[in-house]
Amino acid sequence: NAGVTQTPKFQVLKTGQSMTLQCAQDMNHNSMYWYRQDPGMGLRLIYYSASEGTTDKGEVPNGYNVSRLNKREFSLRLESAAPSQTSVYFCASSLTGGRDTIYFGEGSWLTVV
Amino acid sequence: RKEVEQDPGPFNVPEGATVAFNCTYSNSASQSFFWYRQDCRKEPKLLMSVYSSGNEDGRFTAQLNRASQYISLLIRDSKLSDSATYLCVVNRGAGGSYIPTFGRGTSLIVHP
Repeated sequence: NAGVTQTPKFQVLKTGQSMTLQCAQDMNHNSMYWYRQDPGMGLRLIYYSASEGTTDKGEVPNGYNVSRLNKREFSLRLESAAPSQTSVYFCASSLTGGRDTIYFGEGSWLTVV
Repeated sequence: RKEVEQDPGPFNVPEGATVAFNCTYSNSASQSFFWYRQDCRKEPKLLMSVYSSGNEDGRFTAQLNRASQYISLLIRDSKLSDSATYLCVVNRGAGGSYIPTFGRGTSLIVHP
């Protein structure tokens, strides 16, 4: 019963490097999300995908890109990592949004040095 | 003003106490509301939805006040295992989809 799986769990990057966080869900959900969580800031939405084939910016999209590869997978890319992107990243999904429960992956701890 | 606001706490209470948290939201078009629980270094998990008429799940009671734009969570007979951060979530409609917005969370510490 995997739910939402995200990789990698931990990553250290140098400033300017690029990387992609992978996320996949096996619940046949339509909506997927990427959040970052920083101390004292709570969860902030980076990008979301309401359905396969669509993506939209959230509260803090700068420095990130996303791809909804198919219904299962939603990846987050950092093109040129900056120390300000050091954070915990959570991928999440829900059936359609609205009153549906949001299920989270276990998080990816990213440090940019 | 942040769209969803919570008192960060921490609320430090003894076992058996009753504790209540509030969460205010700024967008009157918000349509659905939830409380999530997050343990240290773990992902958030749904605690309960919040319905217009209020709802209860065991020791937990959630209320919605649309006129004043806040939701509340009441925990009765606190247990040590209730120690966690409680996140308020507000969904607002946007172009046919829903955007879940999280509050910063309220930290609860239950001590013996």
